Amino acid sequence: EPEVTQTPSHQVTQMGQEVILRCVPISNHLYFYWYRQILGQKVEFLVSFYNNEISEKSEIFDDQFSVERPDGSNFTLKIRSTKLEDSAMYFCASSGTQNSPLHFGNGTRLTVT
Amino acid sequence: DAKTTQPTSMDCAEGRAANLPCNHSTISGNEYVYWYRQIHSQGPQYIIHGLKNNETNEMASLIITEDRKSSTLILPHATLRDTAVYYCIVRVGNTGNQFYFGTGTSLTVIP
Repeated sequence: EPEVTQTPSHQVTQMGQEVILRCVPISNHLYFYWYRQILGQKVEFLVSFYNNEISEKSEIFDDQFSVERPDGSNFTLKIRSTKLEDSAMYFCASSGTQNSPLHFGNGTRLTVT
Repeated sequence: DAKTTQPTSMDCAEGRAANLPCNHSTISGNEYVYWYRQIHSQGPQYIIHGLKNNETNEMASLIITEDRKSSTLILPHATLRDTAVYYCIVRVGNTGNQFYFGTGTSLTVIP
């Protein structure tokens, strides 16, 4: 069964550094998402992406965050200047249509020191 | 923006059916209900979804009330590996492109 893959599985970075989290969605999917989960807390929506543009974003997704689909297979989340509070699991997801279920990757654990 | 409510936690004996309820009283006529689970800090795993009719797949059954204001996820023969947090989800947001994860139901399957 096709799956969403995320790399790296764990990223450690220093405060103020830029990080790029990478995702390969399921190949024929058209809708792409990023979510995050701070340890012990809820899964939170960050952004959705369709037709090469952001379709919706949350208050968390401020100017420090950006997303890109640089080619036909990858979907990336960039954090320009990381803060301690950005430490979390980041999950990528994709879906084939707007009403079809989201399929999630196993996440990247980001640790900001 | 919470559109669903679920009990915080439930226990179930191994081998018995686990019935997880969810209220979604403000759901609109064309909104699906989705169920996911999360084991430890793994990515949320899709279980099942439905609109009006009851649904069944290899993992679970979904029973949706006629007025669509609530639903129940049924795991017919719970195993220890079914211990997880279960989320009942409807889409929210201006474009309907958000899955809102509430706190879910923490299901513990007891040997």
